[in-house]
Amino acid sequence: KQEVTQIPAALSVPEGENLVLNCSFTDSAIYNLQWFRQDPGKGLTSLLLIQSSQREQTSGRLNASLDKSSGRSTLYIAASQPGDSATYLCATQVETTDSWGKLQFGAGTQVVVTP
Amino acid sequence: AAGVIQSPRHLIKEKRETATLKCYPIPRHDTVYWYQQGPGQDPQFLISFYEKMQSDKGSIPDRFSAQQFSDYHSELNMSSLELGDSALYFCASSLMNSGNEQFFGPGTRLTVL
Repeated sequence: KQEVTQIPAALSVPEGENLVLNCSFTDSAIYNLQWFRQDPGKGLTSLLLIQSSQREQTSGRLNASLDKSSGRSTLYIAASQPGDSATYLCATQVETTDSWGKLQFGAGTQVVVTP
Repeated sequence: AAGVIQSPRHLIKEKRETATLKCYPIPRHDTVYWYQQGPGQDPQFLISFYEKMQSDKGSIPDRFSAQQFSDYHSELNMSSLELGDSALYFCASSLMNSGNEQFFGPGTRLTVL
């Protein structure tokens, strides 16, 4: 069964610093990996999707890398802002014949960016 | 751009009552997923539908059932509600043959008293 781990569980940085969020997974047979942002009590906003054949994806200040063989993904957020404060979750879709499409989530990294 | 719509946004029920949650996927998306997120927990997969057929099933209690209708909207029916069913319930939709990126709705917060 796929297990997804996110380290650290919480992170506090001053505004302007770069954020580095780590995600590891035990089953490398993934179809894709998604990074989400969740504000307290709110829904999940998809930030980046990385297909299994890709090594990285970029969107604005966000960059996510994927190393399937080592079971790792990293989300980089450049020049952090107070509005980046949220919980960030990574999730994988494992490619098997009997388990298609469901996301397995990590527990998330809670980020606080202080002004 | 159109997003996933869920209704109701908030629901308060008594123990042993029933609840129905509705989900309207993004137009042209062919797959719907239901997830449950308990307080302080990550979302857990419940069930999914592809082209109106159940495609996968997770840790969904027997008291829960779901279906996807001809217009692609989906409903999650929950009976004999228990206190432990209090959670955020998310619906997500995707286009299976286009990367399968899942887009989540705002969720329904269910409180069981």
